[in-house]
Amino acid sequence: DIQMTQSPSSLSASVGDRVTITCRASQSISGYLNWYQQKPGKAPKLLIYGASNLQSGVPSRFSGSESGTDFTLTVSSLQPEDFASYYCQQSYSTPHTFGQGTKLEIK
Amino acid sequence: QVQLVQSGAEVKKPGASVKVSCKASGYTFTSYYMHWVRQAPGQGLEWMGIINPSDGSATYAQKFQGRVAMTRDTSTSTVYLELSSLRSEDTAVFYCARPRLSNSYYNAMDVWGQGTTVTVSS
Repeated sequence: DIQMTQSPSSLSASVGDRVTITCRASQSISGYLNWYQQKPGKAPKLLIYGASNLQSGVPSRFSGSESGTDFTLTVSSLQPEDFASYYCQQSYSTPHTFGQGTKLEIK
Repeated sequence: QVQLVQSGAEVKKPGASVKVSCKASGYTFTSYYMHWVRQAPGQGLEWMGIINPSDGSATYAQKFQGRVAMTRDTSTSTVYLELSSLRSEDTAVFYCARPRLSNSYYNAMDVWGQGTTVTVSS
């Protein structure tokens, strides 16, 4: 199975900050990397697919990038509604494993 | 609009089985695979498996092999997740989720059900 190592597990930041969350795959996943946002009691929401493609309707302050087996989700300027948990997921091969998640909290 | 509506919360005793449903609407049911994802209380997301509603074939995560069955009913556009031999560690919210693209296994999930809470307790 492909392991997805996500960091940090938690992060405190302020409105307006730029934040970065990283995810490393244990082997090549050819860019099949997705990012989700989840708020308490809600289903996950797709933000980024294919490492860097913004899902329709998602604000442009969210972006994704890849470098080999390392992937990054960046929020350029945090808004109050961005405080949530974030998960990466590989869809290259089954099982389509998720990272452990990052909880983004208000400082 | 595209929508996935899941069945209601369940409470089960250890050793029992549970069957969760996910009814799809707003798109061609047989053209999109369907994933199932589990989330234990306060924990992360865990991929359980995927079913092809067109032919009913399914692939399961090794962790659940032998205890899980994903099925579908094309007449009602509904997929089902059945988990047997339940234990307390199976207490979780279960989500169905549809991939972005039709007839594609290797896609992000862009439509999610609302989740079904299953509680396993004696």
